[in-house]
Amino acid sequence: QQPVQSPQAVILREGEDAVINCSSSKALYSVHWYRQKHGEAPVFLMILLKGGEQKGHEKISASFNEKKQQSSLYLTASQLSYSGTYFCGTVGDSSTSYGKLTFGQGTILTVHP
Amino acid sequence: GAVVSQHPSRVICKSGTSVKIECRSLDFQATTMFWYRQFPKQSLMLMATSNEGSKATYEQGVEKDKFLINHASLTLSTLTVTSAHPEDSSFYICSASSLAEPYNEQFFGPGTRLTVL
Repeated sequence: QQPVQSPQAVILREGEDAVINCSSSKALYSVHWYRQKHGEAPVFLMILLKGGEQKGHEKISASFNEKKQQSSLYLTASQLSYSGTYFCGTVGDSSTSYGKLTFGQGTILTVHP
Repeated sequence: GAVVSQHPSRVICKSGTSVKIECRSLDFQATTMFWYRQFPKQSLMLMATSNEGSKATYEQGVEKDKFLINHASLTLSTLTVTSAHPEDSSFYICSASSLAEPYNEQFFGPGTRLTVL
C-alpha cells in the first residue's frame, strides 16, 4: 500500500522552512526520502531506520516515528535549488517486503526568490 | 558513492517493436536490482525485483511476458519491453542495492525515457 504524503504542494520564498509528512498504514523497517527534478531520476536525501539510525545529508533533517508509522522531512532556510518533487519511499517490516520501496505520491515544492 | 548507469537515456520506437534497456552498477556488486516506471506527474511504481541469477519477481498487474527482465551478473540487469505500444511510453528507472549495504539504500540510475509512436 502506497504511503500518503502531505501536503501535496508547497510554495515558499527563499529562506522559509517547510515540513513534508509521510504516513504509512503498515509497520515499517525504514523510510527513504528523495527529491526529483523534472525529467531526472530521484536523488537520495535521507534514510531513517527502525531503531533510530539515520543516513543523510548535513542540511537535511528528518524524523521517524515507528509507532505511528510516520516520517517527516524538515527543510530549513530553503534555497531555490530545493525546488522539486519530494518522495518518501517506505520499506515494510516483513520478510516479504525486504528491500522493496513503495513510494508516496509526491509533494511538489516550489521556492521563489 | 555508488553509481548506476542506464542505457539508452532516450529511445523512440515504432509500435510493435521491442526495446532493451540496460542498467549497470559501475562500482559495486548489486545483489538486487529494481525496475520502476513513472508516468508524467505520477509517482514511481515498482515493476519488478530481480536478483542475480534468478527469475525476477513481478509486482501485481505487471505482465512478465511483456516486460522481460534478465539479471545475468552482479553488475548488469536488462529490461526488454516486447511489442511496445504507445501506452508503454514512460520513464523507466532502475535502482540497485547490495546486501552489503546496511541501510538497504537503493542507488538509482538516471532513467530511460521511452516514447512509442
